[in-house]
Amino acid sequence: QQPVQSPQAVILREGEDAVINCSSSKALYSVHWYRQKHGEAPVFLMILLKGGEQKGHDKISASFNEKKQQSSLYLTASQLSYSGTYFCGTEGRWSGGGADGLTFGKGTHLIIQP
Amino acid sequence: EADIYQTPRYLVIGTGKKITLECSQTMGHDKMYWYQQDPGMELHLIHYSYGVNSTEKGDLSSESTVSRIRTEHFPLTLESARPSHTSQYLCASSETGSNGYTFGSGTRLTVV
Repeated sequence: QQPVQSPQAVILREGEDAVINCSSSKALYSVHWYRQKHGEAPVFLMILLKGGEQKGHDKISASFNEKKQQSSLYLTASQLSYSGTYFCGTEGRWSGGGADGLTFGKGTHLIIQP
Repeated sequence: EADIYQTPRYLVIGTGKKITLECSQTMGHDKMYWYQQDPGMELHLIHYSYGVNSTEKGDLSSESTVSRIRTEHFPLTLESARPSHTSQYLCASSETGSNGYTFGSGTRLTVV
């Protein structure tokens, strides 16, 4: 089943923060986050494998609440380069190991204005 | 440099033609995937492979077929293209286990 992302779109000024949420109705083994710029391929940001795990690099981080089957992506002090569409991709607990391919959400369009 | 390549980048073809979209990766990844994506929309899994001689259909019903004769090569074939097949097709690969996907640049297919 497809994970649900929210919000659908966000418009920010440079330097503001954003949170993008991803929730699933099924038990999750892992959550992936990707960013896709217009006309380009999606680029892998990070993967969260364990409930409660948090990861981050630079000013982008994410958390995974296994019990709630939710993940959130945090963008701090956003930069113009952060603009794009963010997708979460999920693996079901039964499939573990990514064998069956990720199911992606509909995406969150992020626009950063100067 | 390790990468994943898709050809052609753009393809316009007439209805009823047979086409093959190529995907090759130089990273030695066992797992490969094909996704279909319409502009501004989500990615839909149409095929995946665990390794050589292993192929499975994904969530999205597709009239395409795939083969995996070599680890590095995962072509997708449409026997008879239709206008409803117009879309972008993205190939991806990943290492065994839960790892991030590396996507190719995609093939934008238009069937007229």
